[in-house]
Amino acid sequence: NAGVTQTPKFRILKIGQSMTLQCTQDMNHNYMYWYRQDPGMGLKLIYYSVGAGITDKGEVPNGYNVSRSTTEDFPLRLELAAPSQTSVYFCASGLAESETQYFGPGTRLLVL
Amino acid sequence: GQNIDQPTEMTATEGAIVQINCTYQTSGFNGLFWYQQHAGEAPTFLSYNVLDGLEEKGRFSSFLSRSKGYSYLLLKELQMKDSASYLCAVMDSNYQLIWGAGTKLIIKP
Repeated sequence: NAGVTQTPKFRILKIGQSMTLQCTQDMNHNYMYWYRQDPGMGLKLIYYSVGAGITDKGEVPNGYNVSRSTTEDFPLRLELAAPSQTSVYFCASGLAESETQYFGPGTRLLVL
Repeated sequence: GQNIDQPTEMTATEGAIVQINCTYQTSGFNGLFWYQQHAGEAPTFLSYNVLDGLEEKGRFSSFLSRSKGYSYLLLKELQMKDSASYLCAVMDSNYQLIWGAGTKLIIKP
């Protein structure tokens, strides 16, 4: 049981490039989340999903897109990378909306 | 607005006890979580409180007072491996987690 896995671990992007951050969970959780974590600040919710085919915006969705075609996968897409998107991105999953969230190892993204 | 406050940094001695406080103002309340995050790693779940009172789990305990918008995490018999950041998060009326910036705990021998 791998839990929540994320790839890549680290990436450097040039301004204007695009990329997809991958997230997979094998716990059969309905709920999945994407957060970003910046130094000195709390985690911020980017997007979340309550099940396959359903996604919704969080607190900071601008510049990002998501899809949820299966229960297991919840990729995060950056279309036009900007320096403000330099951050650590965490994917998380949970059994239900009020349940504990379990986090992946994170992706460190640097946009130059 | 929604706000979670916790101290930025605390220092304690190995073997001692430390209390990390968290105060919150959120739109609604559906529980308070404490997570531990070692440097460069993912947050991992420590405790959950939804009713007032103390929840004890081994060396770690968490307390909640909903009327005061206040929680604390108590760590006993501190070990060097407890050096980490401790994140307080409140689930609001939309069942979204609002996160504090975290308290970095430094343990000295």
